[in-house]
Amino acid sequence: QQQVKQSPQSLIVQKGGISIINCAYENTAFDYFPWYQQFPGKGPALLIAIRPDVSEKKEGRFTISFNKSAKQFSLHIMDSQPGDSATYFCAASVVRKELVFGKGTKLTVNP
Amino acid sequence: ETGVTQSPTHLIKTRGQQVTLRCSSQSGHNTVSWYQQALGQGPQFIFQYYREEENGRGNFPPRFSGLQFPNYSSELNVNALELDDSALYLCASSPLALQETQYFGPGTRLLVL
Repeated sequence: QQQVKQSPQSLIVQKGGISIINCAYENTAFDYFPWYQQFPGKGPALLIAIRPDVSEKKEGRFTISFNKSAKQFSLHIMDSQPGDSATYFCAASVVRKELVFGKGTKLTVNP
Repeated sequence: ETGVTQSPTHLIKTRGQQVTLRCSSQSGHNTVSWYQQALGQGPQFIFQYYREEENGRGNFPPRFSGLQFPNYSSELNVNALELDDSALYLCASSPLALQETQYFGPGTRLLVL
């Protein structure tokens, strides 16, 4: 049973465009929703995270939108750059418990 | 940099052998979790240690075992290696003050032949 569903599997965006990745979860006990960025051969790096009492969080070009009633959250990357090309994972957890990851989205930003 | 280091970076073993992977986190990180990431997949939770005690386990067989030491280091041991154990093994630690946040190391790439 996949508890966190992520889409799309891959995404191609032009430089300067907006990249949008979506995730949906099933377990209403989840109370922490991070996004990780992973480059080939590297471990995942925490990008931005949100708690369910907030509907949106912005850090630089990265924004998380959170819809508690729909059990969905998304990552928006504004002004996408070639250096943003990586695999992005959404995740969810109960505090002090394990992270449950989506299957990942491979983002390619063309120059 | 997360301050989480792992060794070795790469490892090649044959089926049936045993392997020990190591992780070192920052001072004050009292929770460590291990994940297995198969090629093209998201990380899958193996187990978590909190203050040197196992604090949760994913759907992995008993031949996957671990330890956490007082100096904030940790080990993942895998016995009777199988071909499907080939993956990137990731260690993640959480600081005492931010228990929900997990910082990952660079991983150990294990290849089982």
